Amino acid sequence: DIEMTQSPGSLAVSLGGRATINCKSRQSLLYSSSNKYNLAWFQQKPGQPPKLLIYSASTRESGVPDRFSGSGSGTDFTLTISSLQAEDVAVYYCQQYYTTPLTFGGGTKVEIK
Amino acid sequence: QLQLQESGPGLVKPSETLSLTCTVSRGSISSSGYCWGWIRQPPGRRLEWIGSICNSGSTYNNPSFKSRVTVSADTSKNQFSLKLTSVTAADTAVYYCARSAASLYAHWGQGTLVTVSS
Repeated sequence: DIEMTQSPGSLAVSLGGRATINCKSRQSLLYSSSNKYNLAWFQQKPGQPPKLLIYSASTRESGVPDRFSGSGSGTDFTLTISSLQAEDVAVYYCQQYYTTPLTFGGGTKVEIK
Repeated sequence: QLQLQESGPGLVKPSETLSLTCTVSRGSISSSGYCWGWIRQPPGRRLEWIGSICNSGSTYNNPSFKSRVTVSADTSKNQFSLKLTSVTAADTAVYYCARSAASLYAHWGQGTLVTVSS
């Protein structure tokens, strides 16, 4: 299995501030046939299912605000919320879809400072 | 907009079989290029992929469940199902059904809590 490690486990950011979440995979997630990284980011609010934010490490899903951005390569990836809004309070998960079994990070809880 | 809805017992006894069904609306499980899967989230723990079935009929399971998992589909009802045998308290979780394309899960059901307890 590809282990996914997220950090930090939680962070508190001021409204309008920047939130940075890191995700590390045990092996490269570069899919050679597409030359893209099979890494996704999800947002989960209490009582709701996860919502896809980012795929291919850096492509925003349709309708996702542009304050959300993904970056990274190889085994190290980052989700950045450039200007935190109240509605962004949630737990964020990274997930590799490079191979089965698909695996998720442990989650990062984002709160308002 | 595609909709998925999980259904099944909310309480299962230890050693018995957990059975859940996902009903798909505003979309067909026979559509080419998609797989239909199950993911669970035990209380306070990370999301865990259980398994999936693709429109081709191929199934893929997480080896961590050994041979306890069966994912099947009923195209006549536009539903797919999960069976998890020999459950224990560790199988208590919110179970989600979802649709994937190239293993990317973009559409999820609301989830259903299943508690394993006598």
